[in-house]
Amino acid sequence: SQQGEEDPQALSIQEGENATMNCSYKTSINNLQWYRQNSGRGLVHLILIRSNEREKHSGRLRVTLDTSKKGSSLLITASRAADTASYFCATDGSGGGADGLTFGKGTHLIIQP
Amino acid sequence: KAGVTQTPRYLIKTRGQQVTLSCSPISGHRSVSWYQQTPGQGLQFLFEYFSETQRNKGNFPGRFSGRQFSNSRSEMNVSTLELGDSALYLCASSLWIVGVSTQYFGPGTRLTVL
Repeated sequence: SQQGEEDPQALSIQEGENATMNCSYKTSINNLQWYRQNSGRGLVHLILIRSNEREKHSGRLRVTLDTSKKGSSLLITASRAADTASYFCATDGSGGGADGLTFGKGTHLIIQP
Repeated sequence: KAGVTQTPRYLIKTRGQQVTLSCSPISGHRSVSWYQQTPGQGLQFLFEYFSETQRNKGNFPGRFSGRQFSNSRSEMNVSTLELGDSALYLCASSLWIVGVSTQYFGPGTRLTVL
């Protein structure tokens, strides 16, 4: 079953603008991770935020986590054409990943040059 | 370090056949997980192996099986293939630390069942 649900399903913006994607989940988590996938290829790990963290930065990425609302957001600043991809949030439960990651359906991001 | 590798990258089979996919994890990673990705169901967890033992299994029929070898390489097998098994199969390895499981994915094997 899908735990994380990304919103929006698709997003198209101009190069240089910021892109924000949201993810909601249903049950308690240990960590929440964001992955990127280009054209049906493998997933690339972007960032992991632990359940006791509220915000994390990595380069042009900023992730927030609100465990009370069971939601997370991924912000990509100063977008580039190369950021065009699908973005997935993934959660793991108390097993720390031994139960496998549960992915949302993803947000398809298109950066217009 | 070399990343996760999967072979073959593409595979075409017919209904009723069986298939074996292979995954070599990042050196030092002992946990290997398998996922199925389809347009309709998205990414779904198949199973996870750690030190040659299956630790958990997703909600898939018994036709889907796997194993892990002493060098952490893993294989998954699908028997009696169905059209609905057409998918991208992704393998991920992780340096499993209690409470943290960043998984590193391979490029996937795209299976087409005709």
